[in-house]
Amino acid sequence: AQSVTQLDSHVSVSEGTPVLLRCNYSSSYSPSLFWYVQHPNKGLQLLLKYTSAATLVKGINGFEAEFKKSETSFHLTKPSAHMSDAAEYFCVVSETGGGADGLTFGKGTHLIIQP
Amino acid sequence: NAGVTQTPKFRILKIGQSMTLQCTQDMNHNYMYWYRQDPGMGLKLIYYSVGAGITDKGEVPNGYNVSRSTTEDFPLRLELAAPSQTSVYFCASSFTSGSQPAGEQYFGPGTRLTVT
Repeated sequence: AQSVTQLDSHVSVSEGTPVLLRCNYSSSYSPSLFWYVQHPNKGLQLLLKYTSAATLVKGINGFEAEFKKSETSFHLTKPSAHMSDAAEYFCVVSETGGGADGLTFGKGTHLIIQP
Repeated sequence: NAGVTQTPKFRILKIGQSMTLQCTQDMNHNYMYWYRQDPGMGLKLIYYSVGAGITDKGEVPNGYNVSRSTTEDFPLRLELAAPSQTSVYFCASSFTSGSQPAGEQYFGPGTRLTVT
């Protein structure tokens, strides 16, 4: 069985400071991991994904995430926050070979950017 | 490409009414999904389809029905609306081959449904 835990329901940072959104997962197999972003009243958009290649994954809009198997973590970071980064972020895990119902979504982290 | 489109954007239903949420994708994806999103929660899978004519239940299928007569369309039917079905509904699609993990999903903009 797989699960994903987003450790913070809300994160608030000042514009121009680093962003860290934390995600831990559990999986019986080699997982694929994703981060999605959801802006207000919009659908989800893929930020980045890990599928057993490089452990440091670069995504859109300056975000990146590092897969750490020993820590079962896949934290999302960005060096300098921008006002447009304010949104809901979801960490998602999928087990290798999992079917369509093999995706598990975290509960989300609401990112607030202070001017 | 329009991607994944959903209609309507908003709807208010009375208890016991029925309605169909429409979803269309133009990316020739084989997999399609319906999720619901409740406040403070992640997405929960209602139904999914691996291709035309094939559908299967997700985590929370009760009170819903789906059909997949074409690759492009995947409507979600609510037969007897209940207040517990007040939620935001997202349709998504992906291209996934049999032995590979589920790939990137493309989401529609959502339908905000209120049942009173």
